[in-house]
Amino acid sequence: QKEVEQNSGPLSVPEGAIASLNCTYSDRGSQSFFWYRQYSGKSPELIMSIYSNGDKEDGRFTAQLNKASQYVSLLIRDSQPSDSATYLCAVKGAGNQFYFGTGTSLTVIP
Amino acid sequence: DTGVSQDPRHKITKRGQNVTFRCDPISEHNRLYWYRQTLGQGPEFLTYFQNEAQLEKSRLLSDRFSAERPKGSFSTLEIQRTEQGDSAMYLCASSWDGNTEAFFGQGTRLTVV
Repeated sequence: QKEVEQNSGPLSVPEGAIASLNCTYSDRGSQSFFWYRQYSGKSPELIMSIYSNGDKEDGRFTAQLNKASQYVSLLIRDSQPSDSATYLCAVKGAGNQFYFGTGTSLTVIP
Repeated sequence: DTGVSQDPRHKITKRGQNVTFRCDPISEHNRLYWYRQTLGQGPEFLTYFQNEAQLEKSRLLSDRFSAERPKGSFSTLEIQRTEQGDSAMYLCASSWDGNTEAFFGQGTRLTVV
């Protein structure tokens, strides 16, 4: 079982819609959770971090964490074509490394 | 520039040659990570440093790979006797401590021909 699982997609949404990205993780001791955006050929760029259960909003982005269900999600409101990228979920467990999912490819259709 | 910096951005090398990459982390960050990423995959952990100490190394990392962070500032990753399977994006990231956000550099894309 992989440490972090994401649907690879591709996920397509029309411009202006809400994009919903999901991630599950296996280590119940995980403490820190992150979403990165990665454009093709570029390095990952941090979008959001979340450390406690509930929602965290930053502009058009909302991260949601449910530790009991070992689930973290990212909502992107009013999706723009510039949001088209691969979104990586990262989880920091009791160990010392960040575990990444394989990423979900998002396409926002104008 | 206060971000993570990696050099070179691209490297093409012949199989069997040695290559070395450099990473300059964000200056106040104690932790430095090396990851490798291949097409369609998420970043895969290679190793990390807390200041100058290399505290963990992936089991996937063969002994052809070595990393250093001699003064707790910049780090180098060396690959000896490169193989075609080493072709990947090598990513460096740094963080203040073990639980805060890690920020990535631009990456070094290695192509072994």
